[in-house]
Amino acid sequence: RKEVEQDPGPFNVPEGATVAFNCTYSNSASQSFFWYRQDCRKEPKLLMSVYSSGNEDGRFTAQLNRASQYISLLIRDSKLSDSATYLCVVNRGGGGNKLTFGTGTQLKVEL
Amino acid sequence: DTAVSQTPKYLVTQMGNDKSIKCEQNLGHDTMYWYKQDSKKFLKIMFSYNNKELIINETVPNRFSPKSPDKAHLNLHINSLELGDSAVYFCASSLTSGASTDTQYFGPGTRLTVL
Repeated sequence: RKEVEQDPGPFNVPEGATVAFNCTYSNSASQSFFWYRQDCRKEPKLLMSVYSSGNEDGRFTAQLNRASQYISLLIRDSKLSDSATYLCVVNRGGGGNKLTFGTGTQLKVEL
Repeated sequence: DTAVSQTPKYLVTQMGNDKSIKCEQNLGHDTMYWYKQDSKKFLKIMFSYNNKELIINETVPNRFSPKSPDKAHLNLHINSLELGDSAVYFCASSLTSGASTDTQYFGPGTRLTVL
Protein backbone atom coordinates (compact mmCIF):
# COMPACT_ATOMS: atom_id res chain seq x y z
CA ARG A 1 0.00 0.00 0.00
CA LYS A 2 1.30 3.46 -0.91
CA GLU A 3 1.97 5.80 1.98
CA VAL A 4 -0.18 8.55 0.42
CA GLU A 5 -2.97 7.58 -1.97
CA GLN A 6 -4.95 9.79 -4.32
CA ASP A 7 -7.34 9.23 -7.20
CA PRO A 8 -5.22 10.16 -10.25
CA GLY A 9 -8.21 11.51 -12.19
CA PRO A 10 -8.41 13.31 -14.52
CA PHE A 11 -11.31 15.29 -13.20
CA ASN A 12 -12.83 17.23 -16.10
CA VAL A 13 -15.19 19.91 -14.80
CA PRO A 14 -16.88 22.96 -16.32
CA GLU A 15 -15.83 26.42 -15.26
CA GLY A 16 -17.69 27.46 -12.13
CA ALA A 17 -18.09 23.92 -10.80
CA THR A 18 -17.19 22.76 -7.33
CA VAL A 19 -14.75 19.87 -7.21
CA ALA A 20 -13.42 17.82 -4.30
CA PHE A 21 -10.25 15.77 -4.06
CA ASN A 22 -9.55 13.16 -1.44
CA CYS A 23 -6.40 11.62 -0.11
CA THR A 24 -5.59 8.96 2.47
CA TYR A 25 -2.32 8.37 4.29
CA SER A 26 -1.13 5.23 6.00
CA ASN A 27 1.22 6.47 8.73
CA SER A 28 -0.83 7.48 11.76
CA ALA A 29 2.23 9.26 13.22
CA SER A 30 2.26 11.79 10.36
CA GLN A 31 2.49 15.32 11.68
CA SER A 32 1.87 17.84 8.92
CA PHE A 33 -0.25 17.86 5.83
CA PHE A 34 -0.27 19.96 2.70
CA TRP A 35 -1.73 20.37 -0.73
CA TYR A 36 0.75 21.31 -3.43
CA ARG A 37 -0.12 22.29 -6.97
CA GLN A 38 1.96 21.30 -9.98
CA ASP A 39 1.40 22.77 -13.42
CA CYS A 40 2.49 20.84 -16.49
CA ARG A 41 6.30 20.72 -16.72
CA LYS A 42 6.70 23.01 -13.71
CA GLU A 43 7.78 22.61 -10.13
CA PRO A 44 5.35 21.83 -7.28
CA LYS A 45 4.21 24.86 -5.30
CA LEU A 46 2.54 24.95 -1.92
CA LEU A 47 -1.20 25.61 -2.27
CA MET A 48 -2.08 25.36 1.40
CA SER A 49 -1.33 23.60 4.64
CA VAL A 50 -4.07 21.44 6.11
CA TYR A 51 -5.18 21.64 9.74
CA SER A 52 -7.51 19.47 11.80
CA SER A 53 -9.85 22.38 12.32
CA GLY A 54 -10.13 22.86 8.58
CA ASN A 55 -8.89 25.92 6.79
CA GLU A 56 -9.96 28.08 3.92
CA ASP A 57 -8.07 30.26 1.48
CA GLY A 58 -10.41 32.04 -0.90
CA ARG A 59 -12.09 29.40 -3.07
CA PHE A 60 -10.05 26.59 -1.54
CA THR A 61 -10.97 24.65 1.59
CA ALA A 62 -8.84 21.91 3.10
CA GLN A 63 -9.87 19.42 5.77
CA LEU A 64 -7.98 16.84 7.78
CA ASN A 65 -9.53 13.89 9.58
CA ARG A 66 -6.79 12.30 11.70
CA ALA A 67 -9.00 9.47 12.94
CA SER A 68 -9.71 8.34 9.38
CA GLN A 69 -6.29 9.44 8.07
CA TYR A 70 -8.04 11.34 5.36
CA ILE A 71 -7.34 14.73 3.76
CA SER A 72 -9.58 16.65 1.40
CA LEU A 73 -9.43 19.70 -0.84
CA LEU A 74 -12.51 21.51 -2.08
CA ILE A 75 -12.32 24.02 -4.91
CA ARG A 76 -15.34 26.24 -5.41
CA ASP A 77 -16.16 28.23 -8.54
CA SER A 78 -13.46 26.54 -10.60
CA LYS A 79 -11.45 28.72 -12.97
CA LEU A 80 -9.62 27.67 -16.13
CA SER A 81 -6.42 28.61 -14.32
CA ASP A 82 -7.11 25.96 -11.67
CA SER A 83 -6.23 23.26 -14.23
CA ALA A 84 -3.21 21.50 -12.77
CA THR A 85 -2.21 18.41 -10.80
CA TYR A 86 -2.95 18.60 -7.08
CA LEU A 87 -0.53 16.73 -4.87
CA CYS A 88 -1.45 15.51 -1.41
CA VAL A 89 1.65 15.72 0.78
CA VAL A 90 2.40 14.37 4.24
CA ASN A 91 5.30 15.10 6.58
CA ARG A 92 6.03 12.22 8.91
CA GLY A 93 7.99 14.43 11.26
CA GLY A 94 10.78 12.88 13.30
CA GLY A 95 13.42 15.22 11.94
CA GLY A 96 14.61 15.77 8.42
CA ASN A 97 11.37 17.40 7.29
CA LYS A 98 10.75 14.54 4.88
CA LEU A 99 7.75 15.04 2.60
CA THR A 100 5.91 12.08 1.11
CA PHE A 101 3.92 12.91 -2.00
CA GLY A 102 0.84 11.27 -3.42
CA THR A 103 0.85 10.63 -7.15
CA GLY A 104 -1.42 13.62 -7.70
CA THR A 105 -4.93 14.24 -8.99
CA GLN A 106 -5.21 15.91 -12.36
CA LEU A 107 -7.84 18.62 -12.74
CA LYS A 108 -8.98 20.02 -16.08
CA VAL A 109 -11.37 22.93 -15.97
CA GLU A 110 -13.17 23.46 -19.27
CA LEU A 111 -15.26 26.23 -20.80
CA ASP B 1 14.96 37.10 -8.20
CA THR B 2 14.82 33.30 -8.43
CA ALA B 3 14.54 31.75 -4.97
CA VAL B 4 15.72 28.23 -5.86
CA SER B 5 17.59 27.83 -9.11
CA GLN B 6 18.93 24.76 -10.87
CA THR B 7 21.28 24.24 -13.79
CA PRO B 8 21.02 22.89 -16.34
CA LYS B 9 17.32 22.90 -17.15
CA TYR B 10 17.71 20.09 -19.66
CA LEU B 11 20.38 17.40 -19.79
CA VAL B 12 20.61 14.78 -22.52
CA THR B 13 23.42 12.27 -22.25
CA GLN B 14 24.52 8.76 -23.11
CA MET B 15 24.35 5.75 -20.82
CA GLY B 16 27.51 5.32 -18.79
CA ASN B 17 28.37 9.01 -18.64
CA ASP B 18 28.85 11.04 -15.45
CA LYS B 19 26.92 14.28 -15.01
CA SER B 20 26.23 16.93 -12.38
CA ILE B 21 23.24 19.10 -11.59
CA LYS B 22 23.67 22.28 -9.54
CA CYS B 23 21.24 23.94 -7.16
CA GLU B 24 21.37 27.25 -5.36
CA GLN B 25 18.93 28.98 -3.05
CA ASN B 26 18.98 32.64 -2.02
CA LEU B 27 16.34 32.34 0.69
CA GLY B 28 18.79 31.96 3.56
CA HIS B 29 17.39 28.51 4.32
CA ASP B 30 19.33 25.91 6.28
CA THR B 31 17.95 22.81 4.60
CA MET B 32 18.06 21.63 1.00
CA TYR B 33 16.70 18.56 -0.76
CA TRP B 34 16.86 16.56 -3.96
CA TYR B 35 13.71 14.91 -5.30
CA LYS B 36 13.21 12.67 -8.33
CA GLN B 37 10.00 12.73 -10.38
CA ASP B 38 9.76 9.71 -12.65
CA SER B 39 7.82 9.21 -15.87
CA LYS B 40 4.68 8.36 -13.90
CA LYS B 41 4.95 11.78 -12.19
CA PHE B 42 5.68 10.22 -8.80
CA LEU B 43 7.79 12.62 -6.74
CA LYS B 44 10.13 11.00 -4.22
CA ILE B 45 12.76 12.42 -1.91
CA MET B 46 16.35 11.34 -2.48
CA PHE B 47 18.51 13.39 -0.11
CA SER B 48 18.31 16.16 2.42
CA TYR B 49 21.10 18.33 3.79
CA ASN B 50 20.93 20.61 6.78
CA ASN B 51 23.64 23.24 6.93
CA LYS B 52 25.95 21.14 4.76
CA GLU B 53 25.31 17.89 6.64
CA LEU B 54 23.48 14.90 5.17
CA ILE B 55 20.35 14.11 7.17
CA ILE B 56 18.23 12.04 4.78
CA ASN B 57 19.47 9.41 2.35
CA GLU B 58 16.58 7.45 0.92
CA THR B 59 18.37 4.28 -0.20
CA VAL B 60 19.45 5.90 -3.41
CA PRO B 61 22.10 3.97 -5.43
CA ASN B 62 25.59 5.11 -4.52
CA ARG B 63 26.07 6.26 -8.12
CA PHE B 64 24.27 9.37 -6.85
CA SER B 65 26.46 11.58 -4.70
CA PRO B 66 25.17 14.87 -3.33
CA LYS B 67 27.60 17.57 -2.26
CA SER B 68 26.89 20.70 -0.29
CA PRO B 69 29.81 23.17 -0.35
CA ASP B 70 27.79 25.62 1.75
CA LYS B 71 24.23 25.82 2.97
CA ALA B 72 23.08 27.77 -0.10
CA HIS B 73 24.24 25.12 -2.56
CA LEU B 74 23.43 21.46 -3.04
CA ASN B 75 24.79 19.71 -6.09
CA LEU B 76 24.02 16.23 -7.37
CA HIS B 77 26.60 14.16 -9.18
CA ILE B 78 25.53 11.00 -10.97
CA ASN B 79 28.05 8.39 -12.10
CA SER B 80 27.56 5.74 -14.77
CA LEU B 81 24.16 6.97 -15.86
CA GLU B 82 21.51 4.35 -16.62
CA LEU B 83 18.33 4.52 -18.68
CA GLY B 84 16.27 4.37 -15.48
CA ASP B 85 17.84 7.59 -14.27
CA SER B 86 15.83 9.51 -16.85
CA ALA B 87 13.50 11.73 -14.82
CA VAL B 88 12.99 15.29 -13.65
CA TYR B 89 15.18 16.15 -10.66
CA PHE B 90 13.92 18.89 -8.36
CA CYS B 91 15.94 20.72 -5.79
CA ALA B 92 14.08 22.27 -2.85
CA SER B 93 14.85 24.20 0.30
CA SER B 94 13.18 24.95 3.62
CA LEU B 95 13.99 27.20 6.53
CA THR B 96 14.91 24.34 8.83
CA SER B 97 14.83 20.57 8.96
CA GLY B 98 13.22 20.34 12.37
CA ALA B 99 9.84 21.98 11.93
CA SER B 100 7.49 19.73 10.01
CA THR B 101 5.37 22.74 9.11
CA ASP B 102 8.17 24.47 7.18
CA THR B 103 7.26 25.11 3.55
CA GLN B 104 9.54 23.57 0.99
CA TYR B 105 10.29 25.74 -2.04
CA PHE B 106 11.13 23.90 -5.24
CA GLY B 107 13.46 24.80 -8.06
CA PRO B 108 12.28 24.63 -11.69
CA GLY B 109 13.63 21.11 -12.19
CA THR B 110 16.27 19.51 -14.39
CA ARG B 111 14.91 17.17 -17.05
CA LEU B 112 17.49 14.40 -17.47
CA THR B 113 17.26 12.09 -20.48
CA VAL B 114 19.63 9.14 -20.70
CA LEU B 115 19.92 7.61 -24.18
